[in-house]
Amino acid sequence: AQSVSQHNHHVILSEAASLELGCNYSYGGTVNLFWYVQYPGQHLQLLLKYFSGDPLVKGIKGFEAEFIKSKFSFNLRKPSVQWSDTAEYFCAVNAAPGANSKLTFGKGITLSVRP
Amino acid sequence: ETGVTQSPTHLIKTRGQQVTLRCSSQSGHNTVSWYQQALGQGPQFIFQYYREEENGRGNFPPRFSGLQFPNYSSELNVNALELDDSALYLCASSREGRSYNEQFFGPGTRLTVL
Repeated sequence: AQSVSQHNHHVILSEAASLELGCNYSYGGTVNLFWYVQYPGQHLQLLLKYFSGDPLVKGIKGFEAEFIKSKFSFNLRKPSVQWSDTAEYFCAVNAAPGANSKLTFGKGITLSVRP
Repeated sequence: ETGVTQSPTHLIKTRGQQVTLRCSSQSGHNTVSWYQQALGQGPQFIFQYYREEENGRGNFPPRFSGLQFPNYSSELNVNALELDDSALYLCASSREGRSYNEQFFGPGTRLTVL
């Protein structure tokens, strides 16, 4: 069975600070990895995804994530956060390469950015 | 906007009642997955429908059931509602195929069970 662990339930940063949100997963096979964001009052949106290839993936809004297979990790980073980044962030995995396989999400991290 | 729509937006029911939630998938997508997101938690997979057949199920009891229609829209039905069923119900649509392994989420239906 797949599982996802996200460290820190709530992160508070000031604008322009650097961000790193941790994500570790557990699964016996090959995975696809995702970061989703849920802005207040909005639906889940995909920030970035990793299927294969370069383990450093870039997403929207200046976010990037690095897949480290040996550590079963897929941490999300942003060099300089903005107030508009205040949201809930979810790491998710599914089994590769199967199409449409179920997503297993972590519990999420609430990011609050102070102006 | 993802092109995935859900109705209704909000719903209030009492314990023991039944509820039907609806989802219209994005154009060109043939797969719909349903997730339950309890307060303060990540979404949990309920089940998936592909070409009108259930194609995988999470750890939810049989009183959670679904349908997919020929136009790929889908319904989630929950019988004998319990207080713990209060949650945001999300549907996600996707298209079969290795290149399309991304699920697009709708805005959700907020269900409150009293």
